[in-house]
Amino acid sequence: DAGVIQSPRHEVTEMGQEVTLRCKPISGHDYLFWYRQTMMRGLELLIYFNNNVPIDDSGMPEDRFSAKMPNASFSTLKIQPSEPRDSAVYFCASSLLTSGASEAFFGQGTRLTVV
Amino acid sequence: GESVGLHLPTLSVQEGDNSIINCAYSNSASDYFIWYKQESGKGPQFIIDIRSNMDKRQGQRVTVLLNKTVKHLSLQIAATQPGDSAVYFCAEKRGSNYKLTFGKGTLLTVNP
Repeated sequence: DAGVIQSPRHEVTEMGQEVTLRCKPISGHDYLFWYRQTMMRGLELLIYFNNNVPIDDSGMPEDRFSAKMPNASFSTLKIQPSEPRDSAVYFCASSLLTSGASEAFFGQGTRLTVV
Repeated sequence: GESVGLHLPTLSVQEGDNSIINCAYSNSASDYFIWYKQESGKGPQFIIDIRSNMDKRQGQRVTVLLNKTVKHLSLQIAATQPGDSAVYFCAEKRGSNYKLTFGKGTLLTVNP
């Protein structure tokens, strides 16, 4: 398996523009997570899905952020409009619940820069 | 724990030495802990996990120790190699909530 695949790897956009980050989880995994990583706040969970259904979106910072999972093999995280403070590395991770294990496999991340 | 800040704790060791990376967690209800390794430009990678009903677990060259009395977790790496240089995060989970809470990380540098 190729692991969790994220695109793009790098994104530079102007303030006010819409940004869409994409994730393909590992086939067969039933949980998908979106994290944001910054030097100031470390790794923060934004939202996670179970069987394509959003379970906990309490980490989504503002209404400007939205996430969807239209099917088991694809998820998007959208920021509209983007702001400079959204600059961070965004990670997608997936896992398969077996006996309560929670090992999450992370993608390579998308480095977002909003100027 | 969940504390975050501008500066990562750092640990510098000589190649071949053993490394011990520490983590304090704040939630006594946490029942599952994971150590992740993050190399520059990559996503976190699972190393080892431990449940709260255990106090020690061993993997290949790594050992995790859990002290629930003082809410402390440690990762021991035996015979540290240059390829072990990375940021190491502990993460905790509570109950059936699959939200992992990450610590701020420790930067390990292995000197040849």
